[in-house]
Amino acid sequence: TQLLEQSPQFLSIQEGENLTVYCNSSSVFSSLQWYRQEPGEGPVLLVTVVTGGEVKKLKRLTFQFGDARKDSSLHITAAQPGDTGLYLCAGVEDSWGKLQFGAGTQVVVTP
Amino acid sequence: GAVVSQHPSRVICKSGTSVKIECRSLDFQATTMFWYRQFPKQSLMLMATSNEGSKATYEQGVEKDKFLINHASLTLSTLTVTSAHPEDSSFYICSARDIGQGSYNEQFFGPGTRLTVL
Repeated sequence: TQLLEQSPQFLSIQEGENLTVYCNSSSVFSSLQWYRQEPGEGPVLLVTVVTGGEVKKLKRLTFQFGDARKDSSLHITAAQPGDTGLYLCAGVEDSWGKLQFGAGTQVVVTP
Repeated sequence: GAVVSQHPSRVICKSGTSVKIECRSLDFQATTMFWYRQFPKQSLMLMATSNEGSKATYEQGVEKDKFLINHASLTLSTLTVTSAHPEDSSFYICSARDIGQGSYNEQFFGPGTRLTVL
């Protein structure tokens, strides 16, 4: 099993600040996905990164996939209370599409 | 697109009874579905991989006779928790893998089922 280490585990910031969440592994993934989950709901897919060095932007969210496809980061600019949630990274582990999840980062943005 | 539904959203049952949870892909066909369990403030723990028309593959430590999985069609998988006990209380989430053209085999998740065993 390829392990994904996600950091930090918890992040509490004020509205308007920036934040970065990291996802690291010693193994190579064919692709990596980022999800956001709110309490009592299922995770919602934010983005899939596939190519080493890839950068994707989704409004105020910027996702990077490392050149070696072993690590990824999520950067949120000017965070808003609506960004509050559990952020999960997940690497595709095998040909069946099985995902290896990181431990998650709980983000709290206060007004 | 890529909507996955789960039913029921919440269930309370007595110890010793069985509970069935349904997972449906509404607008795409899913030859592979996954079942997860999630404890409070923790990440998702994969229980099993469900493949249409064949037996499910269970993760180490997951009892296949307790958590019965049936993937009878390309849009439906069911998880039955047999002889449920309070320690089975948890949030169960399914996902369906989109293998359609242009996809990167992303998984789309259902809204989850909160199971409480009294």
